[in-house]
Amino acid sequence: NAGVTQTPKFQVLKTGQSMTLQCAQDMNHEYMSWYRQDPGMGLRLIHYSVGAGITDQGEVPNGYNVSRSTTEDFPLRLLSAAPSQTSVYFCASRSHGTQYFGPGTRLLVL
Amino acid sequence: GESVGLHLPTLSVQEGDNSIINCAYSNSASDYFIWYKQESGKGPQFIIDIRSNMDKRQGQRVTVLLNKTVKHLSLQIAATQPGDSAVYFCAENMNNNDMRFGAGTRLTVKP
Repeated sequence: NAGVTQTPKFQVLKTGQSMTLQCAQDMNHEYMSWYRQDPGMGLRLIHYSVGAGITDQGEVPNGYNVSRSTTEDFPLRLLSAAPSQTSVYFCASRSHGTQYFGPGTRLLVL
Repeated sequence: GESVGLHLPTLSVQEGDNSIINCAYSNSASDYFIWYKQESGKGPQFIIDIRSNMDKRQGQRVTVLLNKTVKHLSLQIAATQPGDSAVYFCAENMNNNDMRFGAGTRLTVKP
């Protein structure tokens, strides 16, 4: 199993640009989530999904959209990037409480 | 030790010593807790978990202690090795779908 994979590893955007961060898992987990990690802030939950077709907001959802059309994929979309969205983004999937994290996407918004 | 939302504390230990990393959690109704290890440039990695109906759980070289009275969680690492150097996070399960993470503690192991 590849576990949780994320692409790209690194991205630079200009303010106002849009992009999609990709996340996929091959463990057949129903629960998937997106976090952002900022210095001194730990990980904060952006959006999560308990299964295909179901998504919900986490602690910091503003500026981000998600969809879950399949069990495997959970993309995160930034419609109009802002400098405040400069962060490291982690996708995770969960089974029986244990979360498995992807390697992260480092995003810089200029 | 760390608390959810505060600055990143550091802990420096000598190789072979035991390490204790502390965490204060916020919600007395939280029923599940996890410790994660994050190495530089990587995603967090599960270490050990504990449910609220327990006060101690042991793994390989690691022990988690839970004190619900004071809402305190600790991670003990026995015979700390250089490979244990990382940032350690505690996380509390607020409800089934909301897991909150602490800011983390940076552990440095001196050879």
